[in-house]
Amino acid sequence: KQEVTQIPAALSVPEGENLVLNCSFTDSAIYNLQWFRQDPGKGLTSLLLIQSSQREQTSGRLNASLDKSSGRSTLYIAASQPGDSATYLCAVSRYTAGNMLTFGGGTRLMVKP
Amino acid sequence: SQTIHQWPATLVQPVGSPLSLECTVEGTSNPNLYWYRQAAGRGLQLLFYSVGIGQISSEVPQNLSASRPQDRQFILSSKKLLLSDSGFYLCAWGTGGPEAFFGQGTRLTVV
Repeated sequence: KQEVTQIPAALSVPEGENLVLNCSFTDSAIYNLQWFRQDPGKGLTSLLLIQSSQREQTSGRLNASLDKSSGRSTLYIAASQPGDSATYLCAVSRYTAGNMLTFGGGTRLMVKP
Repeated sequence: SQTIHQWPATLVQPVGSPLSLECTVEGTSNPNLYWYRQAAGRGLQLLFYSVGIGQISSEVPQNLSASRPQDRQFILSSKKLLLSDSGFYLCAWGTGGPEAFFGQGTRLTVV
């Protein structure tokens, strides 16, 4: 059974810092990995999708990497801003034809002005 | 463009009462549909998924059921709610490709 772990569970940083969020998974036979953002009481917004054949994806100040063999992914946020404050969720997909995701517990990020 | 709608946004229900949460998707046909739950202190967990009308698969045994009466409509139900059913319920859709798209969620509190 796939298990996804995110470290740290919570993180507080001053504005402008670069930061790294970590995600690990126990079964390397994944189809893809997604990073989501969740604001309090809201749904999920997809940030980055890395397919199993890829090693990284970038969008603006966000960069996500994937190392399938070691079961790890990192989300790098450059020059953090207060608007980045949210919970960040990592999820892996188990099948090629579906989107059945297994989620980590999330990292709650607070960026202080 | 595709959109997903969930309602209600919040719901407070007494123990033992029935439940019906609805999710609809617009702008696409034959989507895969999913119900996830986020319980307090726990991560998001897949409850049900559907690849077509009337086709429902359950991921975990529970007090809930799901139905798909129309191509783009997914309903989560319960005949009698338990306190442990409280949580944040998210509907999602996909095309069978790698991406998943989520609704805004329903916050259910069972009292």
